[in-house]
Amino acid sequence: QKEVEQNSGPLSVPEGAIASLNCTYSDRVSQSFFWYRQYSGKSPELIMSIYSNGDKEDGRFTAQLNKASQYVSLLIRDSQPSDSATYLCAAQEETGGFKTIFGAGTRLFVKA
Amino acid sequence: GAVVSQHPSWVICKSGTSVKIECRSLDFQATTMFWYRQFPKQSLMLMATSNEGSKATYEQGVEKDKFLINHASLTLSTLTVTSAHPEDSSFYICSAALSGGAFGYTFGSGTRLTVV
Repeated sequence: QKEVEQNSGPLSVPEGAIASLNCTYSDRVSQSFFWYRQYSGKSPELIMSIYSNGDKEDGRFTAQLNKASQYVSLLIRDSQPSDSATYLCAAQEETGGFKTIFGAGTRLFVKA
Repeated sequence: GAVVSQHPSWVICKSGTSVKIECRSLDFQATTMFWYRQFPKQSLMLMATSNEGSKATYEQGVEKDKFLINHASLTLSTLTVTSAHPEDSSFYICSAALSGGAFGYTFGSGTRLTVV
């Protein structure tokens, strides 16, 4: 099993809808979890971090973590065309050193 | 805050030459920086972890003699692609860890390398 797995998409949602992005992870990576957004041709930018079970909300973004199911998700409410990008799920290795493992990313298209 | 500056943003070089990419943390000290490579439509692949004042730690399969990393100060890490070949053409991105990485990474803007 890959350490961090994501559906590559593309995920297409209409403007104003909720976009739901999912990620699963292996036992090796289980400390901290992050969601990064990467526009085409650009480097990733951190949008959310989550460390404990439950939901964490920041504006239109909500990250959800379920450690029992080894599952982390990102919800984007009121999706906008400007949200169209690749979303990378990332997790840090439990061995320390803050080495971060990235998923392959999910491409999101928000249709106007 | 927490800005990482990377340059050049793009470079074209001839096969067999070397290219140096710089990564600077502008408003914080980064004892650890990371170098990634990303091919089109693929995810980030960690190449090496750059530690200030010591040798870099390379990931399996990454040639340390080809990808030279120097982290001589708390604000600067460099990646030199030596004897570049067309297959080295890629998007190279550095990142620095805030608070040791506990709160995620800040990425540089990336360098698009094209070897002709």
